[in-house]
Amino acid sequence: ELKVEQNPLFLSMQEGKNYTIYCNYSTTSDRLYWYRQDPGKSLESLFVLLSNGAVKQEGRLMASLDTKARLSTLHITAAVHDLSATYFCAVDNPNFGNEKLTFGTGTRLTIIP
Amino acid sequence: EAGVAQSPRYKIIEKRQSVAFWCNPISGHATLYWYQQILGQGPKLLIQFQNNGVVDDSQLPKDRFSAERLKGVDSTLKIQPAKLEDSAVYLCASSLGRSPSGAFFGQGTRLTVV
Repeated sequence: ELKVEQNPLFLSMQEGKNYTIYCNYSTTSDRLYWYRQDPGKSLESLFVLLSNGAVKQEGRLMASLDTKARLSTLHITAAVHDLSATYFCAVDNPNFGNEKLTFGTGTRLTIIP
Repeated sequence: EAGVAQSPRYKIIEKRQSVAFWCNPISGHATLYWYQQILGQGPKLLIQFQNNGVVDDSQLPKDRFSAERLKGVDSTLKIQPAKLEDSAVYLCASSLGRSPSGAFFGQGTRLTVV
């Protein structure tokens, strides 16, 4: 069974600081996704990482993928209040031909002024 | 482009009652997913349709949950009878092809079973 773990589960950080969220998964997979969820809202796709060494950046967020280590990171640079949300990583389950997502438990990020 | 529409947004029912949720995916999207998101957890796939056929329902509690996708467009998810542990947000998502890459999620239906 594919397991996806995120840490930390909760993160409170000051504006202007940098931090990294980690996503580990238990089985080889080709693709990894990062989503953002605001309270009471749906999931918003942030990044899709398709290969080992892939790096994508959007604004203050940068995601990377190391398929050999089965690890993805989401790095936040100079955090601002608008980034407060819950962030999920999700992995394609290879047992289903890359058609099924298994989500991590999420990291609730709170940016403090 | 209109997004994935779900209704109702909120529902409160007593245990042992039945409830149904509705989803209208993005026009032209062949694949439709229903996820269950329990508070504090990530979404868990319940069922996946490709057009009107089921691709995966391995995590659907079939003794109480059922889902259908008529004519390969709208879908309904039903729970009968509901249990307290069914309290969760039920998210519908759709994607153009079989891959979840590029899937769009609806706002969800928050179910509270009391």
